[in-house]
Amino acid sequence: EEQLVESGGGLVQPGGSLRLSCAASGFIFSNYWMTWVRQAPGKGLEWVANIKQDGSDKYYVDSVKGRFTISRDNAKNSLYLQMNSLRAEDTAVYYCARRPDSTTSWSTFDVWGQGTMVTVSS
Amino acid sequence: QSVLTQPPSASGTPGQRVTISCSGSSSNIGSTSVNWFQQLPGMAPKLLISTNDQRPSGVPDRFSGSKSGTSASLAIGGLQSEDEADYYCAAWDASLNAVLFGGGTKLTIL
Repeated sequence: EEQLVESGGGLVQPGGSLRLSCAASGFIFSNYWMTWVRQAPGKGLEWVANIKQDGSDKYYVDSVKGRFTISRDNAKNSLYLQMNSLRAEDTAVYYCARRPDSTTSWSTFDVWGQGTMVTVSS
Repeated sequence: QSVLTQPPSASGTPGQRVTISCSGSSSNIGSTSVNWFQQLPGMAPKLLISTNDQRPSGVPDRFSGSKSGTSASLAIGGLQSEDEADYYCAAWDASLNAVLFGGGTKLTIL
Protein backbone atom coordinates (compact mmCIF):
# COMPACT_ATOMS: atom_id res chain seq x y z
CA GLU A 1 0.00 0.00 0.00
CA GLU A 2 1.29 3.42 -0.93
CA GLN A 3 1.56 5.44 2.22
CA LEU A 4 2.87 8.71 3.61
CA VAL A 5 3.28 9.30 7.34
CA GLU A 6 4.13 12.73 8.74
CA SER A 7 5.74 13.41 12.09
CA GLY A 8 7.49 16.19 13.98
CA GLY A 9 4.63 18.54 14.68
CA GLY A 10 4.07 20.16 18.05
CA LEU A 11 3.90 23.39 20.03
CA VAL A 12 6.61 25.96 19.38
CA GLN A 13 7.05 29.57 20.42
CA PRO A 14 7.00 32.41 17.88
CA GLY A 15 10.44 32.75 16.33
CA GLY A 16 11.23 29.12 16.99
CA SER A 17 12.06 26.25 14.66
CA LEU A 18 10.61 22.85 13.88
CA ARG A 19 11.48 20.09 11.42
CA LEU A 20 8.73 17.99 9.92
CA SER A 21 9.33 14.57 8.40
CA CYS A 22 7.31 12.49 5.99
CA ALA A 23 8.09 8.78 5.62
CA ALA A 24 7.09 7.16 2.36
CA SER A 25 6.41 3.49 1.77
CA GLY A 26 4.85 1.23 -0.85
CA PHE A 27 6.27 3.09 -3.87
CA ILE A 28 9.59 4.17 -5.35
CA PHE A 29 9.98 7.48 -3.55
CA SER A 30 12.83 8.74 -5.72
CA ASN A 31 10.61 8.71 -8.82
CA TYR A 32 8.23 11.43 -7.61
CA TRP A 33 7.98 15.15 -7.04
CA MET A 34 6.80 15.68 -3.48
CA THR A 35 4.96 18.56 -1.84
CA TRP A 36 3.85 20.05 1.47
CA VAL A 37 0.34 21.48 1.87
CA ARG A 38 -0.99 23.07 5.06
CA GLN A 39 -4.40 23.83 6.50
CA ALA A 40 -4.91 26.37 9.28
CA PRO A 41 -7.64 25.48 11.79
CA GLY A 42 -11.04 25.89 10.17
CA LYS A 43 -9.49 27.21 6.95
CA GLY A 44 -8.78 25.95 3.45
CA LEU A 45 -5.80 24.24 1.90
CA GLU A 46 -2.61 26.16 1.15
CA TRP A 47 0.27 24.81 -0.91
CA VAL A 48 3.61 25.38 0.84
CA ALA A 49 6.43 23.90 -1.24
CA ASN A 50 7.44 21.18 -3.63
CA ILE A 51 10.67 19.43 -4.57
CA LYS A 52 11.91 17.57 -7.61
CA GLN A 53 12.84 13.90 -7.56
CA ASP A 54 16.56 14.55 -7.06
CA GLY A 55 16.10 17.66 -4.92
CA SER A 56 17.56 19.97 -7.56
CA ASP A 57 14.42 22.10 -8.02
CA LYS A 58 12.31 23.56 -5.24
CA TYR A 59 9.38 25.98 -5.20
CA TYR A 60 7.82 27.83 -2.27
CA VAL A 61 4.76 29.95 -1.56
CA ASP A 62 5.83 33.55 -1.01
CA SER A 63 4.80 33.62 2.66
CA VAL A 64 7.41 31.00 3.64
CA LYS A 65 10.30 31.92 1.34
CA GLY A 66 13.48 32.46 3.32
CA ARG A 67 12.02 30.78 6.41
CA PHE A 68 11.11 27.24 5.29
CA THR A 69 13.30 24.72 3.48
CA ILE A 70 12.02 21.59 1.77
CA SER A 71 14.44 18.70 1.35
CA ARG A 72 14.47 14.95 0.84
CA ASP A 73 16.62 11.90 1.46
CA ASN A 74 15.83 9.30 -1.21
CA ALA A 75 17.96 6.69 0.55
CA LYS A 76 15.69 7.00 3.58
CA ASN A 77 12.45 7.46 1.57
CA SER A 78 11.85 10.64 3.49
CA LEU A 79 10.70 14.20 2.85
CA TYR A 80 11.40 17.07 5.23
CA LEU A 81 10.29 20.60 5.95
CA GLN A 82 12.61 22.73 8.06
CA MET A 83 10.61 25.63 9.47
CA ASN A 84 12.44 28.59 11.01
CA SER A 85 11.29 31.97 12.33
CA LEU A 86 7.85 30.54 12.92
CA ARG A 87 4.87 32.85 13.23
CA ALA A 88 1.39 32.42 14.67
CA GLU A 89 0.02 32.34 11.13
CA ASP A 90 2.05 29.19 10.42
CA THR A 91 -0.22 27.29 12.81
CA ALA A 92 -1.77 24.53 10.72
CA VAL A 93 -1.97 20.85 9.95
CA TYR A 94 0.86 20.08 7.54
CA TYR A 95 0.31 17.36 4.93
CA CYS A 96 2.88 15.80 2.65
CA ALA A 97 1.62 14.61 -0.71
CA ARG A 98 2.89 12.94 -3.88
CA ARG A 99 2.66 14.22 -7.43
CA PRO A 100 2.11 11.25 -9.76
CA ASP A 101 4.85 10.67 -12.31
CA SER A 102 2.27 10.13 -15.05
CA THR A 103 0.96 13.70 -15.01
CA THR A 104 2.04 16.99 -16.53
CA SER A 105 -0.12 18.86 -14.02
CA TRP A 106 1.64 20.61 -11.14
CA SER A 107 -1.41 20.48 -8.89
CA THR A 108 -2.21 16.77 -9.05
CA PHE A 109 -1.50 15.11 -5.71
CA ASP A 110 -2.61 11.48 -5.59
CA VAL A 111 -1.30 10.21 -2.24
CA TRP A 112 -1.59 12.18 1.00
CA GLY A 113 -0.42 11.64 4.54
CA GLN A 114 -2.67 12.03 7.56
CA GLY A 115 -1.06 15.32 8.57
CA THR A 116 0.85 16.64 11.56
CA MET A 117 -0.26 19.63 13.65
CA VAL A 118 2.02 22.60 14.18
CA THR A 119 1.00 25.19 16.75
CA VAL A 120 2.94 28.43 17.06
CA SER A 121 2.06 30.15 20.32
CA SER A 122 3.66 31.63 23.41
CA GLN B 1 -8.41 35.55 -0.22
CA SER B 2 -7.85 32.81 -2.81
CA VAL B 3 -7.04 33.63 -6.43
CA LEU B 4 -9.22 30.65 -7.38
CA THR B 5 -12.78 31.54 -6.41
CA GLN B 6 -15.28 28.94 -5.24
CA PRO B 7 -18.68 29.42 -3.62
CA PRO B 8 -18.28 28.88 0.14
CA SER B 9 -21.24 26.55 0.33
CA ALA B 10 -23.52 24.31 -1.71
CA SER B 11 -26.34 21.98 -0.82
CA GLY B 12 -28.67 19.39 -2.24
CA THR B 13 -30.97 16.55 -1.31
CA PRO B 14 -30.16 12.87 -1.81
CA GLY B 15 -30.36 11.92 -5.46
CA GLN B 16 -30.01 15.48 -6.74
CA ARG B 17 -27.20 16.86 -8.90
CA VAL B 18 -25.06 19.75 -7.71
CA THR B 19 -22.34 21.76 -9.45
CA ILE B 20 -19.45 23.59 -7.81
CA SER B 21 -17.63 26.26 -9.76
CA CYS B 22 -14.01 27.41 -9.65
CA SER B 23 -13.08 30.69 -11.30
CA GLY B 24 -9.54 31.73 -12.06
CA SER B 25 -7.56 33.66 -14.65
CA SER B 26 -5.41 33.25 -17.74
CA SER B 27 -2.30 32.59 -15.65
CA ASN B 28 -3.80 29.60 -13.85
CA ILE B 29 -6.95 27.80 -15.01
CA GLY B 30 -6.71 29.44 -18.43
CA SER B 31 -3.32 27.86 -19.10
CA THR B 32 -3.06 24.75 -16.93
CA SER B 33 -5.18 21.83 -15.87
CA VAL B 34 -7.45 21.79 -12.83
CA ASN B 35 -7.66 19.20 -10.10
CA TRP B 36 -10.40 18.66 -7.54
CA PHE B 37 -10.01 17.32 -4.02
CA GLN B 38 -12.55 16.02 -1.55
CA GLN B 39 -11.93 16.42 2.17
CA LEU B 40 -14.22 14.49 4.47
CA PRO B 41 -14.58 15.82 8.04
CA GLY B 42 -11.40 15.21 10.04
CA MET B 43 -9.64 13.50 7.14
CA ALA B 44 -6.84 14.27 4.72
CA PRO B 45 -7.76 15.53 1.26
CA LYS B 46 -8.34 12.98 -1.49
CA LEU B 47 -7.81 13.45 -5.22
CA LEU B 48 -11.26 13.38 -6.82
CA ILE B 49 -10.73 14.68 -10.36
CA SER B 50 -7.35 15.09 -12.07
CA THR B 51 -6.35 17.10 -15.15
CA ASN B 52 -9.76 18.72 -15.61
CA ASP B 53 -11.93 15.66 -16.12
CA GLN B 54 -10.14 12.41 -15.22
CA ARG B 55 -11.44 10.23 -12.42
CA PRO B 56 -8.75 8.33 -10.50
CA SER B 57 -9.35 4.67 -9.92
CA GLY B 58 -12.06 4.11 -7.31
CA VAL B 59 -13.84 7.43 -7.75
CA PRO B 60 -17.50 6.84 -8.68
CA ASP B 61 -18.68 8.10 -12.05
CA ARG B 62 -21.19 10.29 -10.21
CA PHE B 63 -18.31 12.75 -10.00
CA SER B 64 -17.29 14.63 -13.12
CA GLY B 65 -15.14 17.62 -13.94
CA SER B 66 -14.98 20.11 -16.78
CA LYS B 67 -13.06 23.21 -17.77
CA SER B 68 -13.81 26.08 -20.09
CA GLY B 69 -11.57 29.09 -20.48
CA THR B 70 -10.66 30.40 -17.04
CA SER B 71 -13.30 28.45 -15.14
CA ALA B 72 -13.80 24.87 -14.06
CA SER B 73 -16.67 22.92 -12.58
CA LEU B 74 -17.19 19.84 -10.47
CA ALA B 75 -20.51 18.06 -10.85
CA ILE B 76 -21.83 15.50 -8.40
CA GLY B 77 -24.84 13.50 -9.52
CA GLY B 78 -27.05 11.24 -7.45
CA LEU B 79 -26.05 12.91 -4.20
CA GLN B 80 -25.44 10.63 -1.24
CA SER B 81 -25.06 11.45 2.43
CA GLU B 82 -21.39 10.42 2.33
CA ASP B 83 -20.70 13.17 -0.21
CA GLU B 84 -21.01 15.74 2.58
CA ALA B 85 -17.51 17.21 2.60
CA ASP B 86 -15.35 20.15 1.62
CA TYR B 87 -14.34 20.35 -2.04
CA TYR B 88 -11.30 22.22 -3.34
CA CYS B 89 -10.11 23.07 -6.83
CA ALA B 90 -6.40 23.51 -7.52
CA ALA B 91 -4.24 24.73 -10.38
CA TRP B 92 -0.68 25.89 -11.03
CA ASP B 93 -0.26 29.63 -11.53
CA ALA B 94 2.44 30.46 -14.06
CA SER B 95 2.76 34.07 -12.89
CA LEU B 96 3.17 33.23 -9.22
CA ASN B 97 5.10 29.99 -9.80
CA ALA B 98 2.86 28.44 -7.19
CA VAL B 99 0.07 25.92 -6.75
CA LEU B 100 -3.19 27.63 -5.92
CA PHE B 101 -6.13 26.12 -4.10
CA GLY B 102 -9.62 27.53 -4.19
CA GLY B 103 -11.11 28.63 -0.89
CA GLY B 104 -13.16 25.45 -0.70
CA THR B 105 -16.86 24.69 -0.93
CA LYS B 106 -18.69 23.00 1.92
CA LEU B 107 -21.30 20.65 0.52
CA THR B 108 -24.26 19.92 2.77
CA ILE B 109 -26.70 17.11 2.08
CA LEU B 110 -30.12 18.22 3.24
